Amino acid sequence: QKEVEQNSGPLSVPEGAIASLNCTYSDRGSQSFFWYRQYSGKSPELIMSIYSNGDKEDGRFTAQLNKASQYVSLLIRDSQPSDSATYLCAVVGNEKLTFGTGTRLTIIP
Amino acid sequence: DAGITQSPRHKVTETGTPVTLRCHQTENHRYMYWYRQDPGHGLRLIHYSYGVKDTDKGEVSDGYSVSRSKTEDFLLTLESATSSQTSVYFCAISEHSGGGYQPQHFGDGTRLSIL
Repeated sequence: QKEVEQNSGPLSVPEGAIASLNCTYSDRGSQSFFWYRQYSGKSPELIMSIYSNGDKEDGRFTAQLNKASQYVSLLIRDSQPSDSATYLCAVVGNEKLTFGTGTRLTIIP
Repeated sequence: DAGITQSPRHKVTETGTPVTLRCHQTENHRYMYWYRQDPGHGLRLIHYSYGVKDTDKGEVSDGYSVSRSKTEDFLLTLESATSSQTSVYFCAISEHSGGGYQPQHFGDGTRLSIL
């Protein structure tokens, strides 16, 4: 079982709709969770951090964390073509940061 | 943007040659990391540093060495490059605070091709 799992996609979402990206992790003791966005040919860019159960909102982005079920998700409201990218989930467990392989998101105009 | 500069940005070299990649930061962060990114594998940690002359191995360290003689510089060396080391290499930095783990911020990457 991979330590951090994401559906590789591609996930296609119409412009203006909500994009929902999911990530599950295996280390029950994980405490810190991050979402990165990576455009093709570019470096990963941090877009959200979440450390406690519940929702955290930042503009059009909402991160959701459920430690009991060991999943973290990212919602993108009012999706725009500029949101088309690969989204990487990253989880800290035992002082080690592990990345998922990413979900490729395409916003369809 | 975090002040991280990687050099070179692109490099093509031949099997068996030594290669050194440089990461330079202006943030005075304690932690620095080298990753490689390959299709289907995501980001994998090669080596990291938690201070000057303090380094440790990551999950894919074979064939790589690192050095950190100054806070701002972290070098990755491929002693004898192989085709399997063709990849995109990213440097990252972070600062662990008393409040817990802080996220990493990435440089622009080096695209390395070994023929």
